[in-house]
Amino acid sequence: DGGITQSPKYLFRKEGQNVTLSCEQNLNHDAMYWYRQDPGQGLRLIYYSQIVNDFQKGDIAEGYSVSREKKESFPLTVTSAQKNPTAFYLCASSPSRIGMGTSLYSTDTQYFGPGTRLTVL
Amino acid sequence: KNEVEQSPQNLTAQEGEFITINCSYSVGISALHWLQQHPGGGIVSLFMLSSGKKKHGRLIATINIQEKHSSLHITASHPRDSAVYICAVRSYNTDKLIFGTGTRLQVFP
Repeated sequence: DGGITQSPKYLFRKEGQNVTLSCEQNLNHDAMYWYRQDPGQGLRLIYYSQIVNDFQKGDIAEGYSVSREKKESFPLTVTSAQKNPTAFYLCASSPSRIGMGTSLYSTDTQYFGPGTRLTVL
Repeated sequence: KNEVEQSPQNLTAQEGEFITINCSYSVGISALHWLQQHPGGGIVSLFMLSSGKKKHGRLIATINIQEKHSSLHITASHPRDSAVYICAVRSYNTDKLIFGTGTRLQVFP
């Protein structure tokens, strides 16, 4: 089945440790995104990638890092510099229309993964 | 003030009732999305609208571009409709997705 997987579903880490959240998609989508969800707030964009080996900061990139070495994979590292890392993290992907306009973001529907709930103790 | 406002924040209903969730936005948009987030956290895209009305099963989404307002209707609600419904708009100027905080719906048998 085609889709997006995130692992693990729940993750606990001690303060000061870096942690990497996995996101894999087999939808052959070019664009991938990482969002953070906190209670009472809308989803906020951390990083996005339009194509392999390229990624851009979103609205709240400080304390996070990403890589996009393969089309199907977009891991997110939460570093010790992130002041408030406890949150629900969602990965998404969408088809991209590179070369068909100046848009930096795909305007197509985004497909979301099941999310990872990170708790830093 | 948030650029995307949803109302109500919480909604309870009896099975079979007609449900309406509202979304108002203050920016120029190229599209509006309605998303459903289940208790486990996964998000599913329900609709993408740029004008008019769309229907899928018991779900109906409408948008009024002039009034900057959209509604999501659920007819003959069922307990399995219990979820958080999220409105998101794509800003025409920045092309970014801006998310509302969601409406939590609980449908009781």
